[in-house]
Amino acid sequence: AQSVTQLDSQVPVFEEAPVELRCNYSSSVSVYLFWYVQYPNQGLQLLLKYLSGSTLVKGINGFEAEFNKSQTSFHLRKPSVHISDTAEYFCAVSLGGYQKVTFGIGTKLQVIP
Amino acid sequence: GAVVSQHPSWVICKSGTSVKIECRSLDFQATTMFWYRQFPKQSLMLMATSNEGSKATYEQGVEKDKFLINHASLTLSTLTVTSAHPEDSSFYICSARVVAGGIIYEQFFGPGTRLTVL
Repeated sequence: AQSVTQLDSQVPVFEEAPVELRCNYSSSVSVYLFWYVQYPNQGLQLLLKYLSGSTLVKGINGFEAEFNKSQTSFHLRKPSVHISDTAEYFCAVSLGGYQKVTFGIGTKLQVIP
Repeated sequence: GAVVSQHPSWVICKSGTSVKIECRSLDFQATTMFWYRQFPKQSLMLMATSNEGSKATYEQGVEKDKFLINHASLTLSTLTVTSAHPEDSSFYICSARVVAGGIIYEQFFGPGTRLTVL
């Protein structure tokens, strides 16, 4: 079975500074990887996904993530954060198109003005 | 992207009553919908997978007689929490899966329903 580890439960960062949210996965087979954002009392919105091809994936709101198979990681990055990026971010993994998605515990990004 | 709606967005009920939550895919047909539960400051836990026209598949530890799921059409799935108790208070989120080209797939999430059982 696949699993996802988000090492940081909270990440405070000053506005306009860069940020990296870490995600590691565990699977013995190829996986699909996702990052979702959740604003307070709302559902999840897909930021970006890796299915195959280029390991550098660009998403919405200026976020990007890099798939590293050797390190089994899929870290999320943004070069300059805004106050509006304050939210909970979930990394998720799936074994394929018809398989269920497993979510990490989430990382709360707090952007400080 | 595709839109998934949930109704109601929040509900407060007395212990022992049943509550129905609706999940609709507004501009696409979803053969598969998922129901998640999220406790405060925790991740989403998959409760069950709902396929149109068939019985839902429940995850281990989820009581199927307590959490009744019906997926009567390609755009509607319902979750009924029967005889709700305070420990059932949670944020319930549904999602609908879109498959494009048989390979690429994505889940679109509803805004969630906050259930509070008094």
